[in-house]
Order: sequence, then structure tokens, then C-alpha cells
Amino acid sequence: AQKITQTQPGMFVQEKEAVTLDCTYDTSDQSYGLFWYKQPSSGEMIFLIYQGSYDEQNATEGRYSLNFQKARKSANLVISASQLGDSAMYFCAMRAVESGGSNYKLTFGKGTLLTVNP
Amino acid sequence: DGGITQSPKYLFRKEGQNVTLSCEQNLNHDAMYWYRQDPGQGLRLIYYSQIVNDFQKGDIAEGYSVSREKKESFPLTVTSAQKNPTAFYLCASSMYVNTEAFFGQGTRLTVV
Repeated sequence: AQKITQTQPGMFVQEKEAVTLDCTYDTSDQSYGLFWYKQPSSGEMIFLIYQGSYDEQNATEGRYSLNFQKARKSANLVISASQLGDSAMYFCAMRAVESGGSNYKLTFGKGTLLTVNP
Repeated sequence: DGGITQSPKYLFRKEGQNVTLSCEQNLNHDAMYWYRQDPGQGLRLIYYSQIVNDFQKGDIAEGYSVSREKKESFPLTVTSAQKNPTAFYLCASSMYVNTEAFFGQGTRLTVV
């Protein structure tokens, strides 16, 4: 079965510092996609960054970068120069086909609550 | 404006009653998803659909039902068989495998 694991329930970072949020995944599918979302206290889900399983380079979007290590099945999110507005819940997600299936399933981890301190 | 709309934002129901949560999208997306979010549990997949008239059970489908009669609509019914229905429900849609899913604003269901 597909699985996303985020081992850090909570993280603290000082404003302007960089922070890494961990994500490991498990799937038997060879073609899959990895996503990171941000959820502020308002509850909306904001897409941050995407990495395809066949992408050779790590994805970057502004201050966000994805450290993709395929052999280790990890897809860590790096936020550079943290801002107070980065304080939120962060979810790692994977879209893949389950073994024996034909439909793409989008599975989320339990999330990491990031707090940026001034 | 294109987007995905969930209604209502807040919903209160008495125990034992079925309730249907609405999810509509005008993004022309093929895939749609329903998630339940509880504190500390992340987003757990209830049902998902890749095309009209077809849907699959997710990880926590018991006590829920869905339909996909139109591409734009994917309503979720929380039945009386769902033992603990009070939660925040999120609907999402996506176009292709390698593009992000867009989310609605969510429905907070409280069963009393």
C-alpha cells in the first residue's frame, strides 16, 4: 500500500533561517508524483511544489526547493529565508497507482506544524 | 473564475441522519477526491474518482458514499453508519497525473 511518512509533528525555526521538513514515501509504482502543500490556520490548502519521479533535477519554486533522493524514497522540503508568514501546517503528498490498480491515488502524510519565531 | 466550491462551509446534523456535502468544480478536471481531516491525522482519503461514473474507495470509505454522474460534481454522503463523522472535509480535483490538485475551502461537519 502507498504510504507517506512525515516524522516531525512540529518544527521551530528562526526568522530568516532555512528549515528542512522531512518526507519519506513508499510505493511500488515506477511513475509517481510528489507534492508539498501548506495549510495555514484558515484551513485552505496551498500548493507549493511538485517533483516527478523521472525528474532528474530537484524542483525549485522561489524559496521552496524539494530535495529528492529517489533511492532513499525521500522528498524533503527546504524553505530558505523563513518568514513569519511561513508558520503553518505542511503536508507531503504522493500521486501513484496502487499495486494491482489502474487509478491514481493521491495520498497525504500527517503533516508537520512549522512555527517561525521572530 | 475557475475553481472548486464546497458547500456549506459549516454543517450541523443530528446523530443518525445522513448528510450530503457538495463539491463542484469548473476547472474541467477529470480526477476528484474527498478527504477527511482530523487533528494530528493529516488528510485521509475517503473516495476518489478519475472519470465520470467511476470511483474507488480510499483508505477510510466505511460509512461514506459518493456519486460521479457529472464531471463537475462529486458529492459525498456521510451516512448514519459513520461512527464518528464530526470532522473537516476537503474536496480536491486535478487535471493530469503530474499537476497539482486544487482544493475547495472545506466543510466543517459537526454531528450532535
